[in-house]
Amino acid sequence: AQKITQTQPGMFVQEKEAVTLDCTYDTSDPSYGLFWYKQPSSGEMIFLIYQGSYDQQNATEGRYSLNFQKARKSANLVISASQLGDSAMYFCAMMWGFQKLVFGTGTRLLVSP
Amino acid sequence: DVKVTQSSRYLVKRTGEKVFLECVQDMDHENMFWYRQDPGLGLRLIYFSYDVKMKEKGDIPEGYSVSREKKERFSLILESASTNQTSMYLCASSRVDGTKNIQYFGAGTRLSVL
Repeated sequence: AQKITQTQPGMFVQEKEAVTLDCTYDTSDPSYGLFWYKQPSSGEMIFLIYQGSYDQQNATEGRYSLNFQKARKSANLVISASQLGDSAMYFCAMMWGFQKLVFGTGTRLLVSP
Repeated sequence: DVKVTQSSRYLVKRTGEKVFLECVQDMDHENMFWYRQDPGLGLRLIYFSYDVKMKEKGDIPEGYSVSREKKERFSLILESASTNQTSMYLCASSRVDGTKNIQYFGAGTRLSVL
């Protein structure tokens, strides 16, 4: 069965520092996609970054990068130069088969001044 | 930018009421989804639709139905609301683009059933 694991319930970082949020996944399907979403306290789920299982390079989107290690089945999110507005819940998710998106339990990130 | 709009941010309903949650997207996406989000359980898929008038059950369809009469609109219906349906409901839409299939979410509806 497909599964996403986020082992860090909470993370703290100071403004302007980089932070890594961990995500491991389990699937036997060779074709899948990995996603990270941000959910502020307002509730909206905001798409951040996508990595396909066949992509050769790690995905980057502005201050977000995805450290994809296929053999280890990990897809960690790296946020560079943290900002106060980055404080939120972060969810790792995997899509397999047709349309099925399974989410991890999330990591709460707090950025302090 | 993709815009997924959910009609209500907060709803309070009574047990036994019929409840309609509406979702509209403006990007001509074929696929639309309804999830519920509960603490400790994460997001769980209730129903999804890949075309007008088409629907597929997700992981937790019991107690819910859906309607998609127009491409841009996907409604979630609680036929007879119960207290265990108190939750955050999130709508999403997507379109397959090559190997990518990114789901974009609305702001969510926090439903309380009393």
